[in-house]
Amino acid sequence: QVQLQESGPGLVKPSGTLSLTCAVSGGSISSRNWWTWVRQPPGKGLEWIGEIYHSGNTNYNPSLKSRVTMSVDNSKNQFSLKLSSVTAADTAVYYCARSVYITIFGVVMDVWGQGTTVTVSS
Amino acid sequence: DIQMTQSPSSVSASVGDRVTITCRASQGIRSWLAWYQQKPGKAPKFLIYGASSLQSGVPSRFSGSGSGTDFTLTISSLQPEDFATYYCQQTNSLPRTFGQGTKVEIK
Repeated sequence: QVQLQESGPGLVKPSGTLSLTCAVSGGSISSRNWWTWVRQPPGKGLEWIGEIYHSGNTNYNPSLKSRVTMSVDNSKNQFSLKLSSVTAADTAVYYCARSVYITIFGVVMDVWGQGTTVTVSS
Repeated sequence: DIQMTQSPSSVSASVGDRVTITCRASQGIRSWLAWYQQKPGKAPKFLIYGASSLQSGVPSRFSGSGSGTDFTLTISSLQPEDFATYYCQQTNSLPRTFGQGTKVEIK
């Protein structure tokens, strides 16, 4: 079965760029799915950041769009997130997930990574 | 954006109780709704799609209903492993949005 694993620095300085990678195992990133990033600030709910298809097509949350860049590396079976100009408000657990389209029912996130904590602090 | 509002924010219940969580969308989303369960320190787990269809492996004590703007998640007989936070998510349009979560606590 497909498994996802996030990796990246746990501490980022304010105004810096947060960079995370999600490694996909047990399946191909070139399958007909979207690959998604979701974050969760401490003690708060889930926020969808955006998603990327293996072709490189992306959809971003408008609230973060100016600061977000997602990319996919099909040869390494992984996808990545960059979030620029970070502040303390970007401190959160960041999850990667697989998003699948279920006919007539839309796109759901059916497989999740374990999450990685990123703290923005000097 | 479609806003998702859950109620209550938290509920205290005992093992064996029936628990119902409500999710309301700011506009009609047909049956394009999913539910997730999240335990402390863990990633969310996908439970239900299409408002009422259980993901494979999800116990039958979980059920979902609704369409349009009003939806419910029901746990028919609460089990110890069900104490968690539950989120609804609209699957209808971009950006994908979640409710704020409902925490099911031990009474």
